[in-house]
Amino acid sequence: QKEVEQNSGPLSVPEGAIASLNCTYSDRGSQSFFWYRQYSGKSPELIMSIYSNGDKEDGRFTAQLNKASQYVSLLIRDSQPSDSATYLCAVDNAGNMLTFGGGTRLMVKP
Amino acid sequence: DVKVTQSSRYLVKRTGEKVFLECVQDMDHENMFWYRQDPGLGLRLIYFSYDVKMKEKGDIPEGYSVSREKKERFSLILESASTNQTSMYLCASSQILGLADYNEQFFGPGTRLTVL
Repeated sequence: QKEVEQNSGPLSVPEGAIASLNCTYSDRGSQSFFWYRQYSGKSPELIMSIYSNGDKEDGRFTAQLNKASQYVSLLIRDSQPSDSATYLCAVDNAGNMLTFGGGTRLMVKP
Repeated sequence: DVKVTQSSRYLVKRTGEKVFLECVQDMDHENMFWYRQDPGLGLRLIYFSYDVKMKEKGDIPEGYSVSREKKERFSLILESASTNQTSMYLCASSQILGLADYNEQFFGPGTRLTVL
């Protein structure tokens, strides 16, 4: 059973701080990794994809991948109250399917 | 931008009714997926389809069936709705791996189904 693990939170950070969200996965063969943001009552929205070891930056978001240690993380700089949401980590699984983690709830306090 | 639409945002049905949930994507994606999402259980895959008229069972197919007669449309059918099928249902689509660098999945807005 391929697994993706996330701390459910809530992770509480003050406005303007860096939020760090972590995810570990069990399948060493996984090649693609994704972060989705999901607001309460809404559907998941893709915010970052990462394929290679290292960092990938997009605006205030940075995804970090370490395949040797089997973890992927998402950093959100200058966190805003509008970033308060559940963040889902997803890992490719047998080609065209994804395995999703349970999500981490982030709360950014003004 | 990829657009995935679902036929209803909210649906209330009675136990035993046959329920149809429809999903349409406009990006010519080969793959389409149906998930349900429940508190504490996360996203669970019900069925997916990688081509017209093709379907594969996911993790929780019991009580559900699917239909894909056209590439852009993927329907989820609850043959006889039960209260334990009350959930948020999410449709997603993706490009086939090999035609895309990543198998990114894009979600529709979801249908919150209540079975009474």
